[in-house]
This record gives sequence, structure tokens and C-alpha cells, in this order.
Amino acid sequence: NAGVTQTPKFQVLKTGQSMTLQCAQDMNHNSMYWYRQDPGMGLRLIYYSASEGTTDKGEVPNGYNVSRLNKREFSLRLESAAPSQTSVYFCASSEWVLYGYTFGSGTRLTVV
Amino acid sequence: GESVGLHLPTLSVQEGDNSIINCAYSNSASDYFIWYKQESGKGPQFIIDIRSNMDKRQGQRVTVLLNKTVKHLSLQIAATQPGDSAVYFCAEQISSGSARQLTFGSGTQLTVLP
Repeated sequence: NAGVTQTPKFQVLKTGQSMTLQCAQDMNHNSMYWYRQDPGMGLRLIYYSASEGTTDKGEVPNGYNVSRLNKREFSLRLESAAPSQTSVYFCASSEWVLYGYTFGSGTRLTVV
Repeated sequence: GESVGLHLPTLSVQEGDNSIINCAYSNSASDYFIWYKQESGKGPQFIIDIRSNMDKRQGQRVTVLLNKTVKHLSLQIAATQPGDSAVYFCAEQISSGSARQLTFGSGTQLTVLP
């Protein structure tokens, strides 16, 4: 089925470890996004990529890096994980114009 | 800063009744609004959207109303069903460059009672 695929679905890290969250979309969308969702809060934008080759910071970029590998793939990297990064991470993609975002099913990350 | 907020964090309705979920936004420059549904353990799912040049838009069992005067958005669900139980988010679009960035509210938990 067409959509946004995130891997892994679950991950436990120790403080200081690094990891990369992967995201791929097969809808030929130009823009891709990474959000985090914490309990009782809405989704907060970490980074986004308006198009292949460009990336920009969102609301909460500290502690993260991203790579727009190609039009399909947008990865999120935690260089040195901290307990404050325990969250559910969602990747999303969109066309240039409207119709909202298509979200992946999320990655549940726990940092201990 | 800009913000999107919800009036109530939880809402319980009887099966078959209509549900109304409210949302306030603060950025008068926002030109696009979306309602998302998020079921437990899943990503947000698009329900319905509305542009700022519209006051009302209807979908299947859902209606979104936009009142730009008071910066208020609402989602009406007709004949609420158990499958409607979820967290509902409104999102406000603040256009920046060529990417459409959305700012999300904190969500309202809708529970449908039998």
C-alpha cells in the first residue's frame, strides 16, 4: 500500500547512544517532515525538508540531525541520545500544495 | 508565538449522538486548517480540511466550521460511532517558503459510550 514507512517501530537506547530513524514515502511527495509527540501534547516539528536537497529546522531541532537522502527518504539521527528524547516520532510527507500530510505509523523511542 | 489550542482535553458522547470538538487558533495569517484523527498506536489520519476563504465544509459524517472573526474551528461528527473513539487534533497551516508547515494543537480525546 502506498504511504509513509518508518523503521524501526520500537527502540530502546541507553543515554549517549546514537541511532538513525528511517523514513520512506512512495507517493512522489516533495516535502517531508519529522515530528515528535509527547504525552498530552500535540505534534512538534523537529526538522523538515521542502524538497530534495534542502532541510530546515523546526520548533525543536536541538539534539537531532536529518538527511534527505533522495526524494523518497528522509532520516532523523540522534547523535547522543538523552532521556528527554524519549518520545514517539512521526515522519510525514506532503505535496507542494495542500491536502495535508500523510503520516507514518511512528517510532516509539525510549532512552534509559 | 503562534499556537493552536483546544478548549477541552476530553469529550465523552453517547453512541449515535453528535460530537462537537472545538479548536482555537491565534494566527490570523493562517490560510489552511486540517483535522486529524489519531487512534491508539497509530499515526494521525487526515479527516477533513478547510481553507480560510471558506466558512464550512462537509465530508462523510463530518463537518468543519471556521469562524475567522473569533479564530475558532470546530469539527462536528454526526451519529458518533464506537470507531470514532480517538484523539482529534486540529492543525493550522503557516506557510513558510515552499513547504507547508503545520502547527498542531494538543488534541481532544473523544470517547464514545455504548
